[in-house]
Amino acid sequence: NAGVMQNPRHLVRRRGQEARLRCSPMKGHSHVYWYRQLPEEGLKFMVYLQKENIIDESGMPKERFSAEFPKEGPSILRIQQVVRGDSAAYFCASSPGLGPYEQYFGPGTRLTVT
Amino acid sequence: DAKTTQPPSMDCAEGRAANLPCNHSTISGNEYVYWYRQIHSQGPQYIIHGLKNNETNEMASLIITEDRKSSTLILPHATLRDTAVYYCIVSYSGGSNYKLTFGKGTLLTVNP
Repeated sequence: NAGVMQNPRHLVRRRGQEARLRCSPMKGHSHVYWYRQLPEEGLKFMVYLQKENIIDESGMPKERFSAEFPKEGPSILRIQQVVRGDSAAYFCASSPGLGPYEQYFGPGTRLTVT
Repeated sequence: DAKTTQPPSMDCAEGRAANLPCNHSTISGNEYVYWYRQIHSQGPQYIIHGLKNNETNEMASLIITEDRKSSTLILPHATLRDTAVYYCIVSYSGGSNYKLTFGKGTLLTVNP
């Protein structure tokens, strides 16, 4: 049973470019969460999605960041016009539902903005 | 607002039990205690969780005090690969439990 998959694992973008991070949840999981880990800091919640719905995006920066989880295909975290401060590790997690379920994390995408 | 308190670092000898404490004195009745770990910048790995009873799985044991204000994660036979940052997280079991709040955790170093 494959775990949570994220790609790319490493992404380098110049300032002003767009970054697209993809996450495929574990089989049977319909709940996806994105977290960001800035250098030397802890993980911070960004957004929670179910298929075709954004449930909570309270942790997302107000501008340039968006997320989706379409009916078919992976969840996408999109960062427009990246700046150096966006350099971080972005982790995706999934769970089979709400309640006292554990979240399973992917290996992360390390974004470097030059 | 930190809900848990953990020591910043601990050492353990390989093969010995590692006992990681966590204080969560403000925990409410419907909040679970979760433990995750992060090995050197990898994705966090779920270890175990519990509400009020002690729990055990293939990775670890979780001991929760009767008043639920603290808990201890036990790795019975620590190996070098258990060197990681361990996070104790208190999470509500209801509709908003998805926001895992990671504090600074405890850096466990297992020494040969």
